[in-house]
Amino acid sequence: QVRLVESGGDLVKPGGSLRLSCAASGFNFRDFYMSWVRLVPGKGLEWISYINRNGGTIYYADSVKGRFTLSRDNGKNLLFLQMNSLTVDDTALYYCATGGGYPYVFDDWGQGTLVTVSA
Amino acid sequence: QSALTQPASVSGAPGQSITISCSGGSNDIGAYDHVSWYHQGPGKAPKLMIYEVNKRPSGVSNRFSGSKSGDTASLTISGLQPEDEADYYCCSYGGSSSFPFVFGSGTKVTVL
Repeated sequence: QVRLVESGGDLVKPGGSLRLSCAASGFNFRDFYMSWVRLVPGKGLEWISYINRNGGTIYYADSVKGRFTLSRDNGKNLLFLQMNSLTVDDTALYYCATGGGYPYVFDDWGQGTLVTVSA
Repeated sequence: QSALTQPASVSGAPGQSITISCSGGSNDIGAYDHVSWYHQGPGKAPKLMIYEVNKRPSGVSNRFSGSKSGDTASLTISGLQPEDEADYYCCSYGGSSSFPFVFGSGTKVTVL
């Protein structure tokens, strides 16, 4: 059974940084593309980034490009999202999900970790 | 890239059928058959309900069906049940490296 557990969310001031983690189990992690999607209050879901199986291809949404960095450790079944230069617009519930590559669908999701950016 | 357009809310009585629309453009829904739908109950993680316009993952009820016409996709829930009350989001592949995915604005389904 696929299990994704996010952690690292916190209250941070504008301009600050956070590192989110996603621990995966119940499936062969190294065989899957992985993504981050966030639920923005009052706005809905927004795709943030995805990474291919070996970490060699990573795409970012324009809203986070240059500030967020996605990486993975296939030996430890972990996905990371380094978030720098945070703004109030980054306030959201952040989900990791399997998928991103063909057929361009997000199959399984974690419960999310809350990031709040406020002065 | 703008979010796909969904109605803010749709409601129906138990047993009825409802349809949620998802309007995009020629660069997303109109260009690709990679439209998916997600159900999100209160405080729950999103759950994949439909992918590739009209395919159901294993375990999803056949009361859920998807379709597409031009730049608009639709999700139909037949035989509405109380547990169907949730937020529903559509998502389309966009083909661009900057925005490979665009989500809809979300629809709150209420079972009367």
